[in-house]
Amino acid sequence: AAGVIQSPRHLIKEKRETATLKCYPIPRHDTVYWYQQGPGQDPQFLISFYEKMQSDKGSIPDRFSAQQFSDYHSELNMSSLELGDSALYFCASSGWTGGTGELFFGEGSRLTVL
Amino acid sequence: GIQVEQSPPDLILQEGANSTLRCNFSDSVNNLQWFHQNPWGQLINLFYIPSGTKQNGRLSATTVATERYSLLYISSSQTTDSGVYFCAVEVKGGSEKLVFGKGTKLTVNP
Repeated sequence: AAGVIQSPRHLIKEKRETATLKCYPIPRHDTVYWYQQGPGQDPQFLISFYEKMQSDKGSIPDRFSAQQFSDYHSELNMSSLELGDSALYFCASSGWTGGTGELFFGEGSRLTVL
Repeated sequence: GIQVEQSPPDLILQEGANSTLRCNFSDSVNNLQWFHQNPWGQLINLFYIPSGTKQNGRLSATTVATERYSLLYISSSQTTDSGVYFCAVEVKGGSEKLVFGKGTKLTVNP
């Protein structure tokens, strides 16, 4: 079965640079979520989109922005990167159409800021 | 916001042993999921279990929504069961995001 696809899987950036992460949800899923997981921490909710509109916002820095496109894929843009942004970034998707609302996670994008 | 507490925080077992992981939550929930995060960082769905009991092989889970807790049972543990087990809940009346507990780190020794 198709899963949530994230790219790139690994990314190394310098401080103050910009990074973009991409997420392709499971087909027919209409909601996308972004989470950030620091070393030894639990995943923290950043932002979500339902039908291409922002549906909820968590502790996402102002330096970060995200959007969901017409094909339902989503991108997380991170600017002025800081050392503390080094983390595993997960995208998840869910859909009530033919489903239960269960969230499925991608394999994550590991960002290292040097 | 909702509090999600998992216990124990760490657990070390010998291969073949059984274990029970607990998740307590402080508010009514629409959804509860258990995940296994393997050493490579992947979050694997184990159970979608807002209420009731489910079983999948050596793993089973029970959620008692009225008493605000869920249990994950692992029987005949294997070294590949090692990793962090997360409980995550969706608050009733809130958005559909999941709020995670701090996890239980399980180490299964051969």
